Amino acid sequence: QKEVEQNSGPLSVPEGAIASLNCTYSDRGSQSFFWYRQYSGKSPELIMSIYSNGDKEDGRFTAQLNKASQYVSLLIRDSQPSDSATYLCAVRRSNYQLIWGAGTKLIIKP
Amino acid sequence: NAGVTQTPKFQVLKTGQSMTLQCAQDMNHNSMYWYRQDPGMGLRLIYYSASEGTTDKGEVPNGYNVSRLNKREFSLRLESAAPSQTSVYFCASSTSGRETQYFGPGTRLLVL
Repeated sequence: QKEVEQNSGPLSVPEGAIASLNCTYSDRGSQSFFWYRQYSGKSPELIMSIYSNGDKEDGRFTAQLNKASQYVSLLIRDSQPSDSATYLCAVRRSNYQLIWGAGTKLIIKP
Repeated sequence: NAGVTQTPKFQVLKTGQSMTLQCAQDMNHNSMYWYRQDPGMGLRLIYYSASEGTTDKGEVPNGYNVSRLNKREFSLRLESAAPSQTSVYFCASSTSGRETQYFGPGTRLLVL
């Protein structure tokens, strides 16, 4: 079992709809959680970080964290074709090392 | 302000050849990292440097060496390249080990 798991996709979502991306992790001591976006052939760029249980909103993006169930999710509202990318979940272990999921490929269909 | 820069952008090597990947950051960050990214797998940490003068092994250090030349620069060396080292290599930096990591554009390496 991988330490950070994501569905590889592709996840296909109509333009204007809500895209929901999920990530589970195994280290219960993890305290910090990150969502990065990676366009094809480009480097990862940070979208959001979340540290406490609950929701954190930033524009069209909402990150949700549930430490008891060991999952973190990313919601993208009003999805745009420019949101088409691979979304990487990263979890910081209790020893501060970042562990990465393999990513979910998201396709927004016009 | 260039952020994190990497050279070269693309390289083809023959098995057994050596090369050094260069990384530099101008954000005055203390921590720097080298990752590799392979299809279907997450980013895997090769080596990191928590601060100038220190380096530590990550998840997949075999076949690699690193040098933290100064606060700005962190290089990755392949002494004897193998086809299994064909990958995309990313350098990243952060203020500290607990903070957000910022990535360079990557180096695409093909080992024949």
